[in-house]
Amino acid sequence: KNQVEQSPQSLIILEGKNCTLQCNYTVSPFSNLRWYKQDTGRGPVSLTIMTFSENTKSNGRYTATLDADTKQSSLHITASQLSDSASYICVVSAGNNNDMRFGAGTRLTVKP
Amino acid sequence: GAGVSQSPRYKVAKRGQDVALRCDPISGHVSLFWYQQALGQGPEFLTYFQNEAQLDKSGLPSDRFFAERPEGSVSTLKIQRTQQEDSAVYLCASTRTPGRNNEKLFFGSGTQLSVL
Repeated sequence: KNQVEQSPQSLIILEGKNCTLQCNYTVSPFSNLRWYKQDTGRGPVSLTIMTFSENTKSNGRYTATLDADTKQSSLHITASQLSDSASYICVVSAGNNNDMRFGAGTRLTVKP
Repeated sequence: GAGVSQSPRYKVAKRGQDVALRCDPISGHVSLFWYQQALGQGPEFLTYFQNEAQLDKSGLPSDRFFAERPEGSVSTLKIQRTQQEDSAVYLCASTRTPGRNNEKLFFGSGTQLSVL
């Protein structure tokens, strides 16, 4: 069973709307969590990183939250743009050997 | 170069053929990773190098897969006797420092391998 589960698997929204992507993890002990954006045909690009003590971090229209108690993270996208269409991947790092666990990603499509 | 460069961008191989995929990491980056990404899935770890040392190859799916980084910079992932299940995108990533503490990974655009 994957230690990082993302939902929904895919999402379609209209341009200008907001959306929230979810990441639940069982990786333990927890070190940090990073969200990546992967455009089609490209490698993933880091959006945010969050450590145990952080519960919110923003990067422009992207805001990530972390609840280390419930082991959940979300990525909120505000005022979506067509260029936000991509896969969003949650990556959790374990605190023992710093092994990184990747989620399967959420495929976001923003339509005009 | 400015980023991680992978070549070829696309590779079509006949079943049973050997292939070699190249990764040029960002200059000076110590750590280098190879990942396999199936369609619609997240990247799956294959192997990790710290400079020229291959510290973890636990993700390599079979002994047909071999990776090297002889001078601690360019890396090559070789797949022998390719099978259809090897069809995937192979991503290379590098980081500035040693270790796997989720320091920001810089990914290449990947090599899309199709085995017919």
